[in-house]
Amino acid sequence: SQQGEEDPQALSIQEGENATMNCSYKTSINNLQWYRQNSGRGLVHLILIRSNEREKHSGRLRVTLDTSKKSSSLLITASRAADTASYFCAVLFGGSQGNLIFGKGTKLSVKP
Amino acid sequence: DTAVSQTPKYLVTQMGNDKSIKCEQNLGHDTMYWYKQDSKKFLKIMFSYNNKELIINETVPNRFSPKSPDKAHLNLHINSLELGDSAVYFCASSPGPGAFGELFFGEGSRLTVL
Repeated sequence: SQQGEEDPQALSIQEGENATMNCSYKTSINNLQWYRQNSGRGLVHLILIRSNEREKHSGRLRVTLDTSKKSSSLLITASRAADTASYFCAVLFGGSQGNLIFGKGTKLSVKP
Repeated sequence: DTAVSQTPKYLVTQMGNDKSIKCEQNLGHDTMYWYKQDSKKFLKIMFSYNNKELIINETVPNRFSPKSPDKAHLNLHINSLELGDSAVYFCASSPGPGAFGELFFGEGSRLTVL
């Protein structure tokens, strides 16, 4: 399948630490996106990185993309208890009628 | 104002019944989607509509029938419900086809089939 695969499946850290989540995929993509899902809620878009970009920042978030390795990472710096959520990567492939395919997510727990 | 709203939020029903989930977006987007999230949190696309026309129809049993009366609404009707249909169904929208930008998700509709 072309879906993104996140690693690790679960991550538990202390407040103030950094959290790094990885995503790997199998085919050429148009862009890669990261979403957050709080328990019992819908997904919220965090950041989009295009296939010709290598790094992008948004507040405490830093995303990298390595198309040669077909992988991406999401770094959350100085984590807070409110960052506790599941994080999904999603890859877009397939041209103008493209399909956004989600991975299974990384469950992040930030302990106060 | 809720950007993408789904109703109902919870739905409990018996096997064999028919049920519908409604979705509306007030973002002025052209494209709407239905995703299914299973118990392991895996999110899979089911359908995508652009300006009321079906553009993505993944391998989904034909018991599932989407209907888009206008570009702001995309409803999901499910016939002859089965135990395996239990999941959380998410509606989403985006400005254009192909989801080149971000998707905006509703809060989900949790369907439990007994």
